[in-house]
Amino acid sequence: DTGVSQDPRHKITKRGQNVTFRCDPISEHNRLYWYRQTLGQGPEFLTYFQNEAQLEKSRLLSDRFSAERPKGSFSTLEIQRTEQGDSAMYLCASSWGPLDYGYTFGSGTRLTVV
Amino acid sequence: QKEVEQNSGPLSVPEGAIASLNCTYSDRGSQSFFWYRQYSGKSPELIMFIYSNGDKEDGRFTAQLNKASQYVSLLIRDSQPSDSATYLCAVNRGPGEAAGNKLTFGGGTRVLVKP
Repeated sequence: DTGVSQDPRHKITKRGQNVTFRCDPISEHNRLYWYRQTLGQGPEFLTYFQNEAQLEKSRLLSDRFSAERPKGSFSTLEIQRTEQGDSAMYLCASSWGPLDYGYTFGSGTRLTVV
Repeated sequence: QKEVEQNSGPLSVPEGAIASLNCTYSDRGSQSFFWYRQYSGKSPELIMFIYSNGDKEDGRFTAQLNKASQYVSLLIRDSQPSDSATYLCAVNRGPGEAAGNKLTFGGGTRVLVKP
C-alpha cells in the first residue's frame, strides 16, 4: 500500500469517552499533518510533525487533543472527553521535504459523538 | 475576514463548458497556492499548484495567479460530469523550508456539471 492509511474509517462514540485515531503515512515521507474538516468547510490545520518532533500545533487544538508520532513513523491523535463539537472528519496527510508540491491526504476518520 | 475565501456555490455548468472558480486570500506573504478536488465523502486530492504570477496549464485544468490582487483561479475546460465535486483552494507561505508547513484552506466551491 503506497498511500496514507487511516484507521478506523468511522468511529461513533458517546460524549465524554476518549478516542484514538491512527495514521500511517507514505513510508518515505518525513512530514505528517493532522487536519479536521466539518461539513461544508475546508480542512483546518491541527498539528504537524517532522519525523518524531511535533513542530506546530494549532490554537484549535485544545488540551483535550494530543498527538504523537513515536519513532517518526505512524501517528496517533487522541481526543479525551469527547464533545459533540468534536464530530468531524479527521484527515491525516504526509509529505517529503518542504511543502512545495502539496501533500497526500489519507481517507480520513469520520468521528460522530452522540 | 477569512484568510482564504471561495464562493461556496454550487456552480452549475453544462457538460463541455468551462468552469471558472475563484479564490482570494488575505496574507500577502502567501507564495504557494494549491487546488484540491474533493468528492463527496472522500478526502481531498491535489489537482495543481502554482507559485508564479500568470497561468499554469495541466491537461484540462488551468490555474491563474495574481499576487498583486491576491487572487488565484482555476479553469476547468471541457467540463465533464465526473468533474462534479468540491474544489478547495489552499495557500501556504512557501515555497521552501522557511515556509511553515500548514496549508490554509478556503471553504470550497461545489461544482455541478450537468450532462
